[in-house]
Amino acid sequence: KNEVEQSPQNLTAQEGEFITINCSYSVGISALHWLQQHPGGGIVSLFMLSSGKKKHGRLIATINIQEKHSSLHITASHPRDSAVYICAVRSDNTDKLIFGTGTRLQVFP
Amino acid sequence: KAGVTQTPRYLIKTRGQQVTLSCSPISGHRSVSWYQQTPGQGLQFLFEYFSETQRNKGNFPGRFSGRQFSNSRSEMNVSTLELGDSALYLCASSLTARAYNEQFFGPGTRLTVL
Repeated sequence: KNEVEQSPQNLTAQEGEFITINCSYSVGISALHWLQQHPGGGIVSLFMLSSGKKKHGRLIATINIQEKHSSLHITASHPRDSAVYICAVRSDNTDKLIFGTGTRLQVFP
Repeated sequence: KAGVTQTPRYLIKTRGQQVTLSCSPISGHRSVSWYQQTPGQGLQFLFEYFSETQRNKGNFPGRFSGRQFSNSRSEMNVSTLELGDSALYLCASSLTARAYNEQFFGPGTRLTVL
């Protein structure tokens, strides 16, 4: 079993829909990252969380440390949101980043 | 401020050769991490450097090595290349090695081993 699990693996949405991507982890962590990767490979860091909730524009990230679970929400989705979204946790034991397998999101007009 | 730069962007090598990839972090950043991304294994941590010292290493064979210079620029080297080393190699820089520092990723070097 992977230490970081994401769901769903693939997601298709119509423009304007509310989207949720989930991340569950099984290790103790010091921080959780949400990353966005567009075709071509470039990765952008969206959020870094250690507790609570963060919002940036139409993106919201939440984390529940007790349940070892985080969600990334996209409100009013747009075709330019089409990308792979990756959850990564920094293990508080090894201090290494462990990555989920990613969620491929496609938003159609 | 310039972002993280990686050179070269694309590289084709044959089995048995060696390769050196370079990463220049954002000015002022002292921590550089390297990652390998393949379709089968996804993103995996290779190593992390801070102030010229390797402070963490992933589960990769000794053929993978790296170093960091006094100006924080970093290089990684892969010797005796294998077909399975074909991947996108990404580096990321952060201000320090603290867990709560945001990482800024470079565009990656796509290595193809024939």
